[in-house]
Amino acid sequence: AQSVAQPEDQVNVAEGNPLTVKCTYSVSGNPYLFWYVQYPNRGLQFLLKYITGDNLVKGSYGFEAEFNKSQTSFHLKKPSALVSDSALYFCAVRPGGNSGGYQKVTFGTGTKLQVIP
Amino acid sequence: GEEVAQTPKHLVRGEGQKAKLYCAPIKGHSYVFWYQQVLKNEFKFLISFQNENVFDETGMPKERFSAKCLPNSPCSLEIQATKLEDSAVYFCASSQSRQSYEQYFGPGTRLTVT
Repeated sequence: AQSVAQPEDQVNVAEGNPLTVKCTYSVSGNPYLFWYVQYPNRGLQFLLKYITGDNLVKGSYGFEAEFNKSQTSFHLKKPSALVSDSALYFCAVRPGGNSGGYQKVTFGTGTKLQVIP
Repeated sequence: GEEVAQTPKHLVRGEGQKAKLYCAPIKGHSYVFWYQQVLKNEFKFLISFQNENVFDETGMPKERFSAKCLPNSPCSLEIQATKLEDSAVYFCASSQSRQSYEQYFGPGTRLTVT
């Protein structure tokens, strides 16, 4: 069975400082990995994905994530945090490959990012 | 751009009553997913569709939950006899095709069972 762990319920960072939100995963075969952000009373917004290729992927709003196969991690990063980045962040995984149609995505339990002015 | 639409925004039902939620996926998207978000932010997968066909229903409590995606109609999720533990936010998401990877989420329907 596939799973995602986000070990931190909350991450606090000062505005302008770099931020990291951690994610580790478990899945059969090669993973497809995703980060989503949820603002209050809203649905999830897609930020970025890793499918194949370069281990460092860049996404929306200046976010990036690094895929590390040996550590089964996909940490979300941003060089300089903004107050407006404060939100709930979800990591997600699904098995790679397209056989059998669209395969189920498993989400982590989310990490609340608080950027302090 | 286009968004996934969900109605209603809020729904209050007494225990034992029926609840029906609707989702209009982004035009041209072939896959639709329903998730239940409960306390502690957990996203529980309920069911997915490929066009009007059920693709994966392993997350559905089948005795009370049902879902449909019919041509030219919004998709729907119905709970026949609601229970207190059904109180949650229900999200619908859609994805373009097998070759696309990310899902696009609607704003959710908050169901409160009293």
